[in-house]
Amino acid sequence: EPEVTQTPSHQVTQMGQEVILRCVPISNHLYFYWYRQILGQKVEFLVSFYNNEISEKSEIFDDQFSVERPDGSNFTLKIRSTKLEDSAMYFCASRNSGTDTQYFGPGTRLTVL
Amino acid sequence: DQQVKQNSPSLSVQEGRISILNCDYTNSMFDYFLWYKKYPAEGPTFLISISSIKDKNEDGRFTVFLNKSAKHLSLHIVPSQPGDSAVYFCAALYLEYGNKLVFGAGTILRVKS
Repeated sequence: EPEVTQTPSHQVTQMGQEVILRCVPISNHLYFYWYRQILGQKVEFLVSFYNNEISEKSEIFDDQFSVERPDGSNFTLKIRSTKLEDSAMYFCASRNSGTDTQYFGPGTRLTVL
Repeated sequence: DQQVKQNSPSLSVQEGRISILNCDYTNSMFDYFLWYKKYPAEGPTFLISISSIKDKNEDGRFTVFLNKSAKHLSLHIVPSQPGDSAVYFCAALYLEYGNKLVFGAGTILRVKS
């Protein structure tokens, strides 16, 4: 069964450093998403992406964040200058057209020291 | 953000019995609802969904009920199995406002054998 994959599973970085989280969505899906879950809090929406542009973004998704689909398979989330409060699980999700169900990857645990 | 609430942090059920997980929402514009299951160190796994035009959807051991007037939905698992032990998230979206999922806080289900 096709699934969303994410790398790395765990990323440790120093405050102020740039990180890139990578996702490979399900191959025939057209809509892509990033969510995050800070420890002890709800899963929260960051950004949605379709047709090579951002469809919607939350207030969290400020100028420090960017997304890109650099090729036909990868979908990345970049945080330019990480802060301590960026420490969280980051989940990628994808969806096919004609359905409203989003399928999630296993997540990347980002730890900012 | 309290638009989707799961008021029971945990639920313990005997194997073979029914598990009922509850979810309330405040935004009457939500028109699609999903349940996800999550094991530790994994991403949310889609279980079952329901559109606001229906009041029930069934898939094997899982049934979701929607009461629009009460802004309430529930997930029934019958019979419960030890492998069902996980965190269950209710999520909602407003289709005309994009496809960002709004999650509840989750309910930890423990099925005792």
